[in-house]
Amino acid sequence: QKEVEQNSGPLSVPEGAIASLNCTYSDRGSQSFFWYRQYSGKSPELIMFIYSNGDKEDGRFTAQLNKASQYVSLLIRDSQPSDSATYLCATEGGGSNYKLTFGKGTLLTVNP
Amino acid sequence: NAGVMQNPRHLVRRRGQEARLRCSPMKGHSHVYWYRQLPEEGLKFMVYLQKENIIDESGMPKERFSAEFPKEGPSILRIQQVVRGDSAAYFCASSQTSTSGHYEQYFGPGTRLTVT
Repeated sequence: QKEVEQNSGPLSVPEGAIASLNCTYSDRGSQSFFWYRQYSGKSPELIMFIYSNGDKEDGRFTAQLNKASQYVSLLIRDSQPSDSATYLCATEGGGSNYKLTFGKGTLLTVNP
Repeated sequence: NAGVMQNPRHLVRRRGQEARLRCSPMKGHSHVYWYRQLPEEGLKFMVYLQKENIIDESGMPKERFSAEFPKEGPSILRIQQVVRGDSAAYFCASSQTSTSGHYEQYFGPGTRLTVT
């Protein structure tokens, strides 16, 4: 059974701070890693994907992947109240590289 | 609107009725996926389709659930004889054909099904 574990949260940070979201996965064959943002009552929105070990930056977001440790993280710099949402980690791969396995999400609250 | 489209956005059915959920993929995308999000649970994969083909339905309940993606028109997720436990948000996602082996999936707004 492939599993994706995330900090259950909730995570609360002040505006302007760095928010750090973590995720571990059980399937060593996973090849693709995604972060989705989901506002309450809305659908998941793809914000980052990473396929190789190391860091990937896109604006205020940085995704970090360490396949040896089976660990992926998302950093949000200069957090804004509009970043308040549930962040979902998802993996894909290990033989069926189209099937996303999601964690249960981490609720982030950014306080003004 | 170039995004993934789903309708209806909200659907109320009585126990025993049928529910039909529709999904049109993003322009240029030929791969469709259905996921279900139960209250207080994570998103779960149900089925993966390409035009006229079911590629993987390993996440679909064995009974009452079916999916199709015809040559013309949207993908349909059909739930027969709905029960209260089917109440959930059903999301469709789409991706384009991958040459890299990676599939970035983009989600539609979802259909919230309520069974009374």
